[in-house]
Amino acid sequence: AAGVIQSPRHLIKEKRETATLKCYPIPRHDTVYWYQQGPGQDPQFLISFYEKMQSDKGSIPDRFSAQQFSDYHSELNMSSLELGDSALYFCASSTRDRSYEQYFGPGTRLTVT
Amino acid sequence: AQSVTQPDIHITVSEGASLELRCNYSYGATPYLFWYVQSPGQGLQLLLKYFSGDTLVQGIKGFEAEFKRSQSSFNLRKPSVHWSDAAEYFCAVGQAAGNKLTFGGGTRVLVKP
Repeated sequence: AAGVIQSPRHLIKEKRETATLKCYPIPRHDTVYWYQQGPGQDPQFLISFYEKMQSDKGSIPDRFSAQQFSDYHSELNMSSLELGDSALYFCASSTRDRSYEQYFGPGTRLTVT
Repeated sequence: AQSVTQPDIHITVSEGASLELRCNYSYGATPYLFWYVQSPGQGLQLLLKYFSGDTLVQGIKGFEAEFKRSQSSFNLRKPSVHWSDAAEYFCAVGQAAGNKLTFGGGTRVLVKP
């Protein structure tokens, strides 16, 4: 079965640079969620989208922005990167009517040096 | 606000022995409860979920969990652990209306030969 695809899988950036993470949901899933998992931490919800509209917002820094496109894929844009942004970033997807059942991608490991 | 507590940070168990991971949640309404497993450097795999009905739910890889409303608990069990079960396990709670999952801090399981 098709799963959530995230790219890139690994990314190394320097402080103050920008990064763009991409997420391709499972086919027919219309809702996308982004989570951040710091080293040794549990995943923390950042933001979610349904039908290209932001549906919920968590602890996402103002330096980060995200959007969902007409094909339902989503991008997380991160600017002015800080060392503390180094983390594993997960994307999850679901259908709207079963939005409590989220399927996670493999994650993008971002390292900021 | 919803919250999840996993009291055990680490658990070491011998291969073939039984395993129980504790999870307590705080949520005002009927919770949607999940257990995810994460192998090192990998994504989150859904083991099982509880929405309603039978309070004992079966999942993949021989895991089961029991929802106890009176104790606000959703403990995960496996009768006989395999070396491949060594991983980190996260309990999570979601809202009936969907959107974000709130994760517990995770329990790292080590399996002794």
